[in-house]
Formats: sequence, structure tokens, C-alpha cells
Amino acid sequence: NAGVMQNPRHLVRRRGQEARLRCSPMKGHSHVYWYRQLPEEGLKFMVYLQKENIIDESGMPKERFSAEFPKEGPSILRIQQVVRGDSAAYFCASSPLEGYTGELFFGEGSRLTVL
Amino acid sequence: GQQLNQSPQSMFIQEGEDVSMNCTSSSIFNTWLWYKQDPGEGPVLLIALYKAGELTSNGRLTAQFGITRKDSFLNISASIPSDVGIYFCAGPGSGGSNYKLTFGKGTLLTVNP
Repeated sequence: NAGVMQNPRHLVRRRGQEARLRCSPMKGHSHVYWYRQLPEEGLKFMVYLQKENIIDESGMPKERFSAEFPKEGPSILRIQQVVRGDSAAYFCASSPLEGYTGELFFGEGSRLTVL
Repeated sequence: GQQLNQSPQSMFIQEGEDVSMNCTSSSIFNTWLWYKQDPGEGPVLLIALYKAGELTSNGRLTAQFGITRKDSFLNISASIPSDVGIYFCAGPGSGGSNYKLTFGKGTLLTVNP
């Protein structure tokens, strides 16, 4: 029973470059959630996706950030023209279609460092 | 928006001691979650509480859902070195937004062997 898989675990980018973070949900899960954790902070909600649909992106910055969860393949969180303030840990969680009771199970995260 | 206040911010204890930490909110939550995060890892769910007044145990961990639904505490008994980490409380959003967890800032626990 594989958990939520995220890659890369660590990513270094220079200012202005693009960052792509990938998340494969747990087997049988069709809902994906992205959270961001700044240093010494708790996690903050960014976006909720189902296959081929963005359900709620209210926590995601309007510019430079985008997310997708295609019919096939992992969910992708894309950050264009990264700035130093984007340096953070990005966590993905997933849940099943039915029976969700408010608990989220997170992956190990992708740590982005912007130089 | 909803905010969760955790205390203490950090704790330094000796191995074998018991630990208590709590979480308060200005608004009501219908579920309380406690997570532990090891350095460089993702948060791992420890305990989920669904009912006001509920007391739930998971090994040496015990958590309670406050009667007012605005607070929760987590106790760790007979601490061991691997209990080191950051403990977060979290509560889901209301209505159809229960996937939007609000996290506290965490309690950093250090256990001296």
C-alpha cells in the first residue's frame, strides 16, 4: 500500500526559473490537495483538485502558480518565474472519492529552494 | 479566517517524562486532528477526534476534544527520544470545505535521553 508519493524531494532553482512538483495520490484516491509550509509555520492550503478539474484554488497565489491533475499521470504544481519567497516545503495529500471524514494523509513533501 | 493557537511553542524534557500540549481556537471545530512532523518529512496523522468530549488514545498518546469544541490537548506519556519532532493540531473547514485544514504553528518537542 504505497502512500502519497511526491517528487522531487528537493529542488533548487534560481530566481526566474520554473519549478514543477509532482504528486501521485494513494491508490484508489481521486482527490488531491496541495499545501505549502513556510519555515517555522504550519501548513497552509493552496488548491484542491479532482481528475481534470480544479475544485478550489482559493489558497493559491493568482500569479505564477498553477496546478493540474490530468486524467493520466500525477498531479503537477507549477511555479513560474520563481522568487526567493517561494522557498518552502510543498506537501500533497489525497483522499478517496467517498468516505472522506476530514483526515488528510500527506506525502513527504518537495522542498524548494530558490537562490 | 480561522486560527489555531498552540502552546507551548517548544518543550525540552527528559526521557521518561510526560508531556502535555494544547490547542485553542476562536471558532468551533467539528473535528480535531493531531499530526507529528519529523525533520525533513511530511506530517503524519497521530489522532483524529470527531466528538466533543471525546478522549482517544493511540499507544502512549492521548488526545481530548474539548467540550466547547474550541480546544484540544495532546498528552504523551513516558516520552522516548523518537518522540522528538513538531506536533501540529489542525481542524478542517466547515460545510463542504472540510479538506481545507487550518494548522497551528506547532509545538517543538525535544527529548533528552
